[in-house]
Amino acid sequence: EAQVTQNPRYLITVTGKKLTVTCSQNMNHEYMSWYRQDPGLGLRQIYYSMNVEVTDKGDVPEGYKVSRKEKRNFPLILESPSPNQTSLYFCASSLGGPGNQPQHFGDGTRLSIL
Amino acid sequence: GDSVTQMEGPVTLSEEAFLTINCTYTATGYPSLFWYVQYPGEGLQLLLKATKADDKGSNKGFEATYRKETTSFHLEKGSVQVSDSAVYFCALRNTGTASKLTFGTGTRLQVTL
Repeated sequence: EAQVTQNPRYLITVTGKKLTVTCSQNMNHEYMSWYRQDPGLGLRQIYYSMNVEVTDKGDVPEGYKVSRKEKRNFPLILESPSPNQTSLYFCASSLGGPGNQPQHFGDGTRLSIL
Repeated sequence: GDSVTQMEGPVTLSEEAFLTINCTYTATGYPSLFWYVQYPGEGLQLLLKATKADDKGSNKGFEATYRKETTSFHLEKGSVQVSDSAVYFCALRNTGTASKLTFGTGTRLQVTL
């Protein structure tokens, strides 16, 4: 089954404790992206990757890092999480850029930073 | 920059009622327009899209027409069902920004029996 898998689905942690949210897709997609969803703001892009070893900033990259060492994986790293990063996070992938092909979204990761 | 404005929700309708969710956009160039749907506890799914002016996207009884003169892409359905209850996002991709979608804030639809 074609899917985008995020882990964990839920996490409560404390300020400053490094965390990683994993994202994996099994569709051989080149493009992957991370979004955060906040009430009243919709989805905002954090980082994206057009292919292996190619990553770039989205609209709200501050406080986040990503890597793309393999085509299927695109982890999101919070080196020193802060309460303003409490949000619902989505990973997405597509065969080409996000307008040319439908984006496939994971089910989301709800992060709470205390 | 590019932006998408959606009507605020929640929108509450009775089953079989007519649905309209308004979406307008601001963009230079010739963007492609999309509607995504998010069911409870899930990620977003593409519902329909239109890539040029006057195109009509349709899927699962939903329709939206790309109106360049009014910069709008309103979502409509003639008869909603309880199973349509979800959050609906309007989005655009501009010709100069192949790497991203710009989303609206989402509109929650609740359909009751």
